[in-house]
Amino acid sequence: AQSVAQPEDQVNVAEGNPLTVKCTYSVSGNPYLFWYVQYPNRGLQFLLKYITGDNLVKGSYGFEAEFNKSQTSFHLKKPSALVSDSALYFCAVRDIGIPPGGSYIPTFGRGTSLIVHP
Amino acid sequence: GAVVSQHPSRVICKSGTSVKIECRSLDFQATTMFWYRQFPKQSLMLMATSNEGSKATYEQGVEKDKFLINHASLTLSTLTVTSAHPEDSSFYICSARELAGVVEQYFGPGTRLTVT
Repeated sequence: AQSVAQPEDQVNVAEGNPLTVKCTYSVSGNPYLFWYVQYPNRGLQFLLKYITGDNLVKGSYGFEAEFNKSQTSFHLKKPSALVSDSALYFCAVRDIGIPPGGSYIPTFGRGTSLIVHP
Repeated sequence: GAVVSQHPSRVICKSGTSVKIECRSLDFQATTMFWYRQFPKQSLMLMATSNEGSKATYEQGVEKDKFLINHASLTLSTLTVTSAHPEDSSFYICSARELAGVVEQYFGPGTRLTVT
């Protein structure tokens, strides 16, 4: 079975400071990992993904995430937060293959609300 | 990037009526579409997965006779909420994936359903 955990319901950061939104995962095999952002009353927008290769993945709007296999983590980061980054962030995971209990359907975390203060 | 549209963006209907929500992939062919429901400040709840030309696969606890899903073409899926009740009020989001081997899902902007 696959699962993903976002341990923080909310992250507060001052504008200009670095931000981190945490995500840990569990899969039977190897993971595909994703980050999405949702602004109020909108659908989800794709930010970045990890499939294979370089552990540091760069995505949209200056965001990046680092895949850490030993810690089964895929934390989202940005060096300097903007007020406009305030939104709901979702991490998602799915198995690369379809081992027993795996699925082509990604599992989403419960979301982390990022609030960037001016 | 790939674009998914939803229509309508918001709808208000009376209890007992049915409402249809359309989801379209605008610049790609979606072999698989997903329908999610989202409650305020909560995560996405997958309702069903549909593959073009096949019956939808519903998640446990989702009433297939109440939430009718049709994926008649590679660019269109519809969700019909039948005999709507106030507890069906929610934010419904569709998502589409191009091919089984392609990993990304692209999300529509969502539909806010309010049942009075």
